[in-house]
Amino acid sequence: DTGVSQNPRHKITKRGQNVTFRCDPISEHNRLYWYRQTLGQGPEFLTYFQNEAQLEKSRLLSDRFSAERPKGSFSTLEIQRTEQGDSAMYLCASSPGGARNIQYFGAGTRLSVL
Amino acid sequence: LAKTTQPISMDSYEGQEVNITCSHNNIATNDYITWYQQFPSQGPRFIIQGYKTKVTNEVASLFIPADRKSSTLSLPRVSLSDTAVYYCLVGGAGSYQLTFGKGTKLSVIP
Repeated sequence: DTGVSQNPRHKITKRGQNVTFRCDPISEHNRLYWYRQTLGQGPEFLTYFQNEAQLEKSRLLSDRFSAERPKGSFSTLEIQRTEQGDSAMYLCASSPGGARNIQYFGAGTRLSVL
Repeated sequence: LAKTTQPISMDSYEGQEVNITCSHNNIATNDYITWYQQFPSQGPRFIIQGYKTKVTNEVASLFIPADRKSSTLSLPRVSLSDTAVYYCLVGGAGSYQLTFGKGTKLSVIP
């Protein structure tokens, strides 16, 4: 399978714990994005990497959130001191860049904070 | 980023053609129009993209009038497996983030 892969698919944690999600993009794509989606809403942009450089962060990405993409390959999204409001689906997407900006999404990681 | 407006929900019987219209009055000259499909517990999936006139692929057709202030996604002969949320987005070269609205929830009835 050469699509975008996200792990884990589901994560249940207690409030105050730290969690980390992993995204493996399509191998030839140099752009990687993280989105968050809550029930009944469309995905909301969180952050964007071109290769290893994080070029943009949404104001939704509070200081408890950090994302990395070492060596421009896979990416991790960490949430520290989780809150119940962090419960959502976290989606990763990748694209080869270019004018059309077609992004290919993974299946997401569903986070439940108890 | 241009804002889009589309119906919240639509129902259709199996085998019918479904047309979902999206309005984007403030579309910019270099904006493309892109549609994504999303099933429950899955990420959005790219369906089709166009700039003007008509685009067709193996899944759908996209009709864009000359003023580009709206677009219509056409799904021929829908089946139960087409039940999903469909998102219309506009954006252009240099824009990296996708801005999703709430989409249109299509329910296909047997």
